[in-house]
Amino acid sequence: EAGVTQSPTHLIKTRGQQATLRCSPISGHTSVYWYQQALGLGLQFLLWYDEGEERNRGNFPPRFSGRQFPNYSSELNVNALELEDSALYLCASSARDSTEAFFGQGTRLTVV
Amino acid sequence: DQQVKQNSPSLSVQEGRISILNCDYTNSMFDYFLWYKKYPAEGPTFLISISSIKDKNEDGRFTVFLNKSAKHLSLHIVPSQPGDSAVYFCAASPYYSGGGADGLTFGKGTHLIIQP
Repeated sequence: EAGVTQSPTHLIKTRGQQATLRCSPISGHTSVYWYQQALGLGLQFLLWYDEGEERNRGNFPPRFSGRQFPNYSSELNVNALELEDSALYLCASSARDSTEAFFGQGTRLTVV
Repeated sequence: DQQVKQNSPSLSVQEGRISILNCDYTNSMFDYFLWYKKYPAEGPTFLISISSIKDKNEDGRFTVFLNKSAKHLSLHIVPSQPGDSAVYFCAASPYYSGGGADGLTFGKGTHLIIQP
């Protein structure tokens, strides 16, 4: 069974541009979570989608947004990129109301 | 303010010995604790968890101990093997297993190195 897959693996953008990151959850999982891991920090919760709806968001500005599609895959969009947005972005999926999340390999976003 | 702290950025242990990774938390609302393991270029993988009603949970070579009064948990790996070399993240949630992973607060991780 395929795990959580993320694309692209690496992404280089210029400050001010927009970045789009994609995630496909494990089959049967309805919840998708996005986390940011900046250098030297732990994983910071960004967004939670379930059944196509945004259920919760972490302490990040509105230029971090996303959506979940009917097949439960998800996109994370980061607008007006700043140098500080350079980080590893991890997507995780879980069955509904489960705390045990399964992570993808991440997308390394570099803003120059 | 860091609510979940892993004060050792790295730990080196000889193969066959016990590895002990520590984690402290400050939020008394945390009710469920998890350990994740991460290899380079891979996402974290769930390792073991413990709820606040227990003080110990064991799974093969991995045991997690929880001391609620001290707000401290530890992960013991016995015996340590070369494949255990990875970054280990401690995570805490206010949901007692019935909530979502949006509640997870992670520590910064401890890089465990198993020496042959």
